[in-house]
Amino acid sequence: SQQGEEDPQALSIQEGENATMNCSYKTSINNLQWYRQNSGRGLVHLILIRSNEREKHSGRLRVTLDTSKKSSSLLITASRAADTASYFCATALGGGADGLTFGKGTHLIIQP
Amino acid sequence: EAGVAQSPRYKIIEKRQSVAFWCNPISGHATLYWYQQILGQGPKLLIQFQNNGVVDDSQLPKDRFSAERLKGVDSTLKIQPAKLEDSAVYLCASSPTYQYGYTFGSGTRLTVV
Repeated sequence: SQQGEEDPQALSIQEGENATMNCSYKTSINNLQWYRQNSGRGLVHLILIRSNEREKHSGRLRVTLDTSKKSSSLLITASRAADTASYFCATALGGGADGLTFGKGTHLIIQP
Repeated sequence: EAGVAQSPRYKIIEKRQSVAFWCNPISGHATLYWYQQILGQGPKLLIQFQNNGVVDDSQLPKDRFSAERLKGVDSTLKIQPAKLEDSAVYLCASSPTYQYGYTFGSGTRLTVV
């Protein structure tokens, strides 16, 4: 079963604009991670935010986590054509069986 | 550092045939995962290894799928016999622990005809 659900399913913006994607999940987590997947390729880890953190930055990426609402958002600022990809949130419950559970993803298209 | 290596990159087989995928994780990563990604969906965990022991295989269709990780390094995932619905990308990933992000391989795209 899929723990996280991204919203929107697809997003198209102009180059230079900011892109915001949201993720909701159902159960308590140890951490939440965001991944990018370019067409036909493997997933690339972008950022990990732990359950006791509220915000994290990495370059043009900003991730927030609201554990009371069981939601997270990924903001990409000053988007570039190379940011066109699918973005997935994934949750880790922690403990022994700690395989990540992925959502269905948001497909982001950056128009030049 | 070298990434996660997977082979083959592509595979086309007929239904009821068998197929095997190979994964070599990042050196020193104790945890290895196999995921199945059907077109248009997010990856779904099939099996998790910690060193050479299975931690979670609750979503592995054990009547046709099997996996092993000998000596706690390389891993193979096998499907026998394959069904049409097994057409997907099979991704291998490794990580030091769940406290860190995963490193994924490029995947094996399987088409069952």
